[in-house]
Amino acid sequence: EPEVTQTPSHQVTQMGQEVILRCVPISNHLYFYWYRQILGQKVEFLVSFYNNEISEKSEIFDDQFSVERPDGSNFTLKIRSTKLEDSAMYFCASRNDHGANQPQHFGDGTRLSIL
Amino acid sequence: AQKVTQAQTEISVVEKEDVTLDCVYETRDTTYYLFWYKQPPSGELVFLIRRNSFDEQNEISGRYSWNFQKSTSSFNFTITASQVVDSAVYFCALSEVGIQKLVFGTGTRLLVSP
Repeated sequence: EPEVTQTPSHQVTQMGQEVILRCVPISNHLYFYWYRQILGQKVEFLVSFYNNEISEKSEIFDDQFSVERPDGSNFTLKIRSTKLEDSAMYFCASRNDHGANQPQHFGDGTRLSIL
Repeated sequence: AQKVTQAQTEISVVEKEDVTLDCVYETRDTTYYLFWYKQPPSGELVFLIRRNSFDEQNEISGRYSWNFQKSTSSFNFTITASQVVDSAVYFCALSEVGIQKLVFGTGTRLLVSP
């Protein structure tokens, strides 16, 4: 069964450094998402991406964040200057274009630790 | 505004017991979608089920069943004859038409002991 893959599984970065989290969505999916989950808390929406542009973003997704689909397969989340509070699990998700009722399929996540 | 409430923070049961996880949602839309996801200790999010707002038929899949009641804005999840492998955090989520994001509840941690 096709799946969403995320790399790396764990990223440790010094505060103030830039970090790029990578995702390969399911190949025939057209909607892409990033969510984050601070340890022990709920999953929070960051951004959705469709047709090569951001379709919605949350308050969390400020100017320090950006997303890109640099080629036909990868979908990346960049945090420009990381803060301690960016430490969390980051999940990438994708879904097909058969309607909003279609489930989003999640990757296994990247655990980001900011020191 | 959309909101999902999972009032049960943690539930502990013994294997073979039945357990129901509660989910209450708020939305102003008449068309919306509800989902349940499982997050095992390994951390990934696994899709379990979706339900459209216009389809109130309950569903059973093996030991899992879901009870959707629009009148009470609830979408509860029951595991029959629980097993240790069911131990996980379960999240209920809501999505509205035209707004693609999933709004998650805070999750219910289910501990099934042998």
